[in-house]
This record gives sequence, structure tokens and C-alpha cells, in this order.
Amino acid sequence: NAGVTQTPKFQVLKTGQSMTLQCAQDMNHNSMYWYRQDPGMGLRLIYYSASEGTTDKGEVPNGYNVSRLNKREFSLRLESAAPSQTSVYFCASRSIGDSNQPQHFGDGTRLSIL
Amino acid sequence: AQSVTQLGSHVSVSEGALVLLRCNYSSSVPPYLFWYVQYPNQGLQLLLKYTTGATLVKGINGFEAEFKKSETSFHLTKPSAHMSDAAEYFCAVSDRETSGSRLTFGEGTQLTVNP
Repeated sequence: NAGVTQTPKFQVLKTGQSMTLQCAQDMNHNSMYWYRQDPGMGLRLIYYSASEGTTDKGEVPNGYNVSRLNKREFSLRLESAAPSQTSVYFCASRSIGDSNQPQHFGDGTRLSIL
Repeated sequence: AQSVTQLGSHVSVSEGALVLLRCNYSSSVPPYLFWYVQYPNQGLQLLLKYTTGATLVKGINGFEAEFKKSETSFHLTKPSAHMSDAAEYFCAVSDRETSGSRLTFGEGTQLTVNP
């Protein structure tokens, strides 16, 4: 089972460039999430989509946009990349409803902005 | 608002020694609690979770955690560390009152296992 698939795995951008990070899950999960991971700061939620057709801001949404394309796919867009957005980005998904269900994570996208 | 505190950003143990990783949460109601492990260059994998019922929860790879409401803690333990346990560990909480809710993560604890 593929689970949560993120593309690309690595990317280097120049300041001001734009980019879309892709995420797809094959577990029929309703909820999807985007996090960024920085040393010593754990994972911080950027945006999430509780169900198809809805998106909401997390802790650190500035500089990002998201699109819930369909039930399977949730993309994260950097319109004008900044060095502060250098990070590892993780997508996750979870089945609907119960807060006791764990999130399933992809392997991450390592993004460097010069 | 919920918060999670993991005491000790780095923990070092000898192979065969007890592993104890600490997690305390702050929540108005007892939340759902999770421990995740992250190996280098990988995503997070679920180790175990507490929702309801027995307060001692057993997970994969010989890990277990005990939910202590009076101490607002959910510490992770393993009786005997193995070299393969070297990784970063994250404690997380989910508000049980909110459908489709989000996880709040601690800052993580890097576990080193010395031969």
C-alpha cells in the first residue's frame, strides 16, 4: 500500500520563485494536513482540510496556499518563496470523524530556498 | 488551547538500558494522546496511542506509555534499548471534543543509543 505519497522529495528554489508541493493518499481518508518541520520546533501545522471542499489555516499559514483538488489530493503552494520557508514539509491524512484516529504521514519534501 | 511539552530535546542511553521519554500535556479535558517515531529522512510512524480504557498502552517495537491524568503525563518507555531505536520521537495530542480535529505536537526528543 502506498499510503501518503509526496512529490517531489527534494527541491531547491531561488527566492521569489513559486512552487507547488503535491500530496496524494490512497486510504480513502477525509482529512488531510500540511506541516512543516524545523529543527527544535517539532511539526507545525500550515493548513488542513477536514473534508473534501474545505480548507482551514493552521498555526503558520502565511506565505502558503492550499488546494483540496479531490478527496485524494491536497496540494501546497508557495507563491513567492522566501529563505524562511526552507524546511521539510510533511503531508498527512486521517479517516473522518473520530479524533482518536492517528494521522498517516508521507516521507516529506525537503525544500531549500536560496 | 492545547500544548505538549517534551522534557529533554536529546536523550542518550546505552544499549540494553531503560528508555524514558517524557511528555506532559495541557488540556482542559483529557485528550487523545499519541507517540510517533521518525527515522532519518522518513516521515512519522505511529508508535502507540491512548484514547480510552486501559491507561497503560503497548505499542510497536516494545514501547509502551502510561496515561496519568493526575500528572497530565504520557511518558514513553522501553525496558531495554536497541541500537535500532535511535530516532526522533514526538508526542502529540488531539482534542477529543472536536470532530476532524488537529494534532498538536511536542518539539521532539532525539534518542541516541550508545553501544
